[in-house]
Amino acid sequence: QVQLVQSGAEVKKPGASVKVSCKASGYTFTIYYMHWVRQAPGQGLEWMGIINPSGGTASYAQKFQGRVTMTRDTSTSTVYMDLSSLTSEDTAVYYCARSWTSSSNFDYWGQGTLVTVSS
Amino acid sequence: EIVLTQSPGTLSLSPGERATLSCRASQSVSSTYLAWYQQNPGQAPRLLIYGASSRATGIPDRFSGSGSGTDFTLTISRLEPEDFAVYYCQQYGGSPYTFGQGTNLEIK
Repeated sequence: QVQLVQSGAEVKKPGASVKVSCKASGYTFTIYYMHWVRQAPGQGLEWMGIINPSGGTASYAQKFQGRVTMTRDTSTSTVYMDLSSLTSEDTAVYYCARSWTSSSNFDYWGQGTLVTVSS
Repeated sequence: EIVLTQSPGTLSLSPGERATLSCRASQSVSSTYLAWYQQNPGQAPRLLIYGASSRATGIPDRFSGSGSGTDFTLTISRLEPEDFAVYYCQQYGGSPYTFGQGTNLEIK
């Protein structure tokens, strides 16, 4: 069965960086795109970017350009989301989510990773 | 960027009643690229409807989606206790993929 298993919760200080992982199983890793979506406490869903695990190319929401990097490791079927220059506004649950193409719905989601930014 | 506005923000209904949730887009969205998700507290979103009206695998037929252009609707024909959750619409035609702000469906 398809599973997306994310890394554990993180606590970071302002100005630091965080790297969240998402390990895929139960399907062919390279034929599905992966997105990252975040949700601040009590708020809605915010799309951050997409990566094509086949070639490794990524595209980011303008809001996060220059501060986010999405990468993948095909040997472990894992995608990573690295967010730098953290502020308290980045405190959120971060989700990875799979899509069949770059214009497809998000059919499977990871369980979420809480990132807390606090001094 | 396509802005999706959901209404109402909160909907209070009783089990057995019919729920109608609205999603309005700031510009036309191809129905091919409109989805609805359900989110329970502390859980990841779950895909309910894609292509505006197609149910995802395992979704009960009391859930239905409709609409085109800028106006889309999610209908739950007879509410079950497990249906009380937050619902989001999403357009995924292209970047940036945007979500509505959500409708909180609560028990009356």
